[in-house]
Amino acid sequence: EVQLVESGGGLVQPGGSLRLSCAASGFTFSSYEMNWVRQAPGKGLEWVSYISSSGSTIYYADSVKGRFTISRDNAKNSLYLLMNSLRAEDTGVYYCAREGSGGYCSGGRCTHYWYFDLWGRGTLVTVSS
Amino acid sequence: SSELTQDPAVSVALGQTVRITCQGDSLRNYYASWYQQKPGQAPVLVIYGKNNRPSGIPDRFSGSSSGNTASLTITGAQAEDEADYYCNSRDSSADHPRVFGGGTKLTVL
Repeated sequence: EVQLVESGGGLVQPGGSLRLSCAASGFTFSSYEMNWVRQAPGKGLEWVSYISSSGSTIYYADSVKGRFTISRDNAKNSLYLLMNSLRAEDTGVYYCAREGSGGYCSGGRCTHYWYFDLWGRGTLVTVSS
Repeated sequence: SSELTQDPAVSVALGQTVRITCQGDSLRNYYASWYQQKPGQAPVLVIYGKNNRPSGIPDRFSGSSSGNTASLTITGAQAEDEADYYCNSRDSSADHPRVFGGGTKLTVL
């Protein structure tokens, strides 16, 4: 079965650390770019971080830059998010999401697109004293 | 940095057509993708690219784009379509390659 399963969430005090994992199965993990997306309670989706299929290119949202580290182990079909210096505003459900991409060309002009076609069920992170 | 703007809430009568919009400068250069999220569940991709539906998504869902606006249209809305809908696209900034809209709560009356 094609799926992503997150783990590692829990209750942590402000300033603490947590490492999230995302186990992939049913597809060739090493061929896909991956992302972490989070959702605070009652709020919308927020993109957190991106990693290329080889791990050579990484991006972060401004809200987590310098505190979070994304990584992957293609041999273990796993994606990770190390979260340091956690704050109350980091509380929420964290999803890992597989990314696809493509382009549509017409009249000599190409328009590209990206999408998240596979999501895990998420893992809840609560930052509170 | 870029932003994607969505109306917070939209309603539609059962069986009627509804359009959910997403506005942003980056949409002039990139197509949006659309996600449906029901309470307590993970988001589900419903539209991507010019107007592509993943397997299993009903054909009442369609997408379009014009200028800086992307639209998700549900033709003949069903009760099970009541959900939050989010658009996503590439941010114009090279350091922030992905961005979500704020989401639209769709109510089917």
